[in-house]
Parts: sequence; structure tokens; C-alpha cells
Amino acid sequence: EVQLVESGGGLVQPGRSLRLSCAASGFTFNDYAMHWVRQAPGKGLEWVSGISWNSGIRGYADSVKGRFTISRDNAKSSLYLQMDSLRGEDTAFYYCAKGFWSGPFDFWGQGTLVTVSS
Amino acid sequence: DIQMTQSPSSLSASVGDRVTITCRASQSISSSLNWYQQKPGKAPKLLIYAASGLQGGVPSRFSGSGSGTDFTLTISSLQPEDFATYYCQQSYSVPYSFGQGTKLEIK
Repeated sequence: EVQLVESGGGLVQPGRSLRLSCAASGFTFNDYAMHWVRQAPGKGLEWVSGISWNSGIRGYADSVKGRFTISRDNAKSSLYLQMDSLRGEDTAFYYCAKGFWSGPFDFWGQGTLVTVSS
Repeated sequence: DIQMTQSPSSLSASVGDRVTITCRASQSISSSLNWYQQKPGKAPKLLIYAASGLQGGVPSRFSGSGSGTDFTLTISSLQPEDFATYYCQQSYSVPYSFGQGTKLEIK
């Protein structure tokens, strides 16, 4: 059974950092690209960042470029999102999702909530 | 960046109705268009990939069509479990943008 389990969310002050993790199981992790997608409470979906199977390609939304860094550890079947210089507008549920680069996101985790507030 | 525009933003319909949701891209994305369903408090679920491919396990009442800039998601006969929010998404180029969503409600 495919599973993606996000962790690391919580309440953080503006300007501070947070690192999200996504633990994958039930599939061959290093066959797939991985992505982070966020959703502010009551709002729509926003793609945040993606990384190819071998970390050779990484992409970011303009809204997070220069502040967020995506990475993965294929040996641990894990995906990460380092979030620095957090802002109030980064408050959202953060989902990790698997797929192929330039392809659909065929499975999503249940999300972790990040709240940026003083 | 590619902008995705869905219409309508919300829709009221009855069980058994045929429903169509449209999605327009700001430039050609070939067939790199995907549709997701999201229910309250749940993660999105992939329904349609590459404009018209039915994801495994998704009922055949869901179908997708289109290419270039204009796409549609059709539900042929609404079932109670279909009331949810639907999003289109382009996977043609980074950043992979989503439409704003269409909330399908019970009439």
C-alpha cells in the first residue's frame, strides 16, 4: 500500500525556519519525482516545489524561490522541504505528492499544517 | 508562467445530472492537463491524467477531453459521493499551476 506521511508542521514565528519531512513507503521511491503542494485554509491548491527522481531537477514557485529548498534522500525514502524566512502567507496545509516530472501527481499524503504567526 | 482558469467556480446539481467543468490555460499545454477531486479535510485525488486518461480505480462516469488550451471534465451521472471540489492542473511546465477550483454542491 502506497503511503506518504508528512511531518514537521506547527506554529512558527515570522522570519523563522521550519523543515518538513515526507516519509514514503509502498512503492519504489527513487523511481518517482516528488512534489510539495500547499493549501491555505479554505483556499485552493498551490504547487510549491518539485524534485526529480535523482535530484537533478528542482523547481520552485515564484512565491517561495530563494526561501524554500527541496531535497530528498532516496536511501531513506524521504522528501524534505526546508522553509526559511517564513511569512504569514506561508500558512497552509503542506502536502507531499508523488508523480513523474511533467506528469500528474498520482498519490498525495494527508498533509501537515504550518502556521506562521507571532 | 501558465495561468489556469476554471469555470464555473461553483455549481449546484442533482444526483443523476450530467455535469461539465471547463479549464482554460493561458497558453498551449498540449495534453498535459490533470484533474483532481478533493473532499473536505482530505487530500486531493487524481481522477484524470493527460487530459483524457482515467486513473485506475476511478469510476467510468468521469471523463476528460481537450488539448491545447481548452479542457473539460464531465461527470455523466452524478452520484452522492461526487459532491466535492475539482481542480485542474497543468504539468506542462514549471511552475505547475492549478485552477482555482470548482465546488460541486447538491441542489
